[in-house]
Amino acid sequence: DAGVIQSPRHEVTEMGQEVTLRCKPISGHDYLFWYRQTMMRGLELLIYFNNNVPIDDSGMPEDRFSAKMPNASFSTLKIQPSEPRDSAVYFCASSPATARANTIYFGEGSWLTVV
Amino acid sequence: GDSVVQTEGQVLPSEGDSLIVNCSYETTQYPSLFWYVQYPGEGPQLHLKAMKANDKGRNKGFEAMYRKETTSFHLEKDSVQESDSAVYFCALRGEAGGFKTIFGAGTRLFVKA
Repeated sequence: DAGVIQSPRHEVTEMGQEVTLRCKPISGHDYLFWYRQTMMRGLELLIYFNNNVPIDDSGMPEDRFSAKMPNASFSTLKIQPSEPRDSAVYFCASSPATARANTIYFGEGSWLTVV
Repeated sequence: GDSVVQTEGQVLPSEGDSLIVNCSYETTQYPSLFWYVQYPGEGPQLHLKAMKANDKGRNKGFEAMYRKETTSFHLEKDSVQESDSAVYFCALRGEAGGFKTIFGAGTRLFVKA
């Protein structure tokens, strides 16, 4: 089975540009998560969806960040305008239904550098 | 809110040494507990888990006991190998907040040959 698929794997962009990160979750998974990883702050949960509906976006740092999930097989995380402090690895992850013991499955990450 | 604390940012044992990586948690609910492992260039992946008090998760010689009385889930191994080198994250997941998973800051394990 294919895992969580993220694109792009690496992106270098200039400050002020729009960045769009994409994610295809594992088929049949009800939950989708966006995490950000930095040396300073570790793994931070930005937002998560259940059945394509955003449930908790309290981790989104500011209005420059937005996320959508138009259908069960696709999600985007957008940063507009980007700033150097947004440089990080962004992970998408998915999980099957509501049993609390269920594992979440991460993609390989999108490495973002804003210069 | 829920939180997970890992006290060591990095541990540097030699091959064959025993290992304990500390993990403590705070929550008002009854969570499941996890250790995830991350290798360079990859996303975190499940290493082991425990779903209720006194359960022990096991994988590749690692163990962790779910201790509700001390709210801890320490990761242990009797004899580490160079191939165990990675970043280890302790995490909890519970019913409150829609089953979101909260991670600790991570502990980098570097095993010296």
